[in-house]
Amino acid sequence: DAGITQSPRHKVTETGTPVTLRCHQTENHRYMYWYRQDPGHGLRLIHYSYGVKDTDKGEVSDGYSVSRSKTEDFLLTLESATSSQTSVYFCASGGGYGYTFGSGTRLTVV
Amino acid sequence: GESVGLHLPTLSVQEGDNSIINCAYSNSASDYFIWYKQESGKGPQFIIDIRSNMDKRQGQRVTVLLNKTVKHLSLQIAATQPGDSAVYFCAELNGNKLVFGAGTILRVKS
Repeated sequence: DAGITQSPRHKVTETGTPVTLRCHQTENHRYMYWYRQDPGHGLRLIHYSYGVKDTDKGEVSDGYSVSRSKTEDFLLTLESATSSQTSVYFCASGGGYGYTFGSGTRLTVV
Repeated sequence: GESVGLHLPTLSVQEGDNSIINCAYSNSASDYFIWYKQESGKGPQFIIDIRSNMDKRQGQRVTVLLNKTVKHLSLQIAATQPGDSAVYFCAELNGNKLVFGAGTILRVKS
């Protein structure tokens, strides 16, 4: 969807290094979400935001932090990447109804 | 805790037949539900949604049914086509949290 983009699309990083993934939306949506998806699993919520500087934890938040300093950007940070954080990460945004997803970031931690 | 689950992990249907994908949700406070389709290597795509004050909603070839009494959601796809082959997820919105089920793989046999 052109209204929401994720960067980078692919990243390989070493264990113990910090990593930041970016989600950018141009829809002026209030709500933004970060999920991870592992083979054979659904989407698990990491963190979400319900406004600028308003964030909350999801079901798998350990090892992740987020920041939202502007409506359009929602950053996901792995402070010290571990191999268990190898996954595909999806961002979503919505205005209360109708949530759209980015194309995902494939992160590999070696 | 909150959860959204699916009864059938894999569904195989003959091309031209109707498909029914089911979903059980556990949080009676959820007031909005969405079905997504995910093709390999892509982000989830919105199919259809329904609010809790409705019990049925129709789109193009798709119908969503909501039974709040038994906390059950279903997606019906009419005249299933090979292009419908994908993983289908239901999601529920509880407050500000958008939570996904594990997913159902739909395989269409020609």
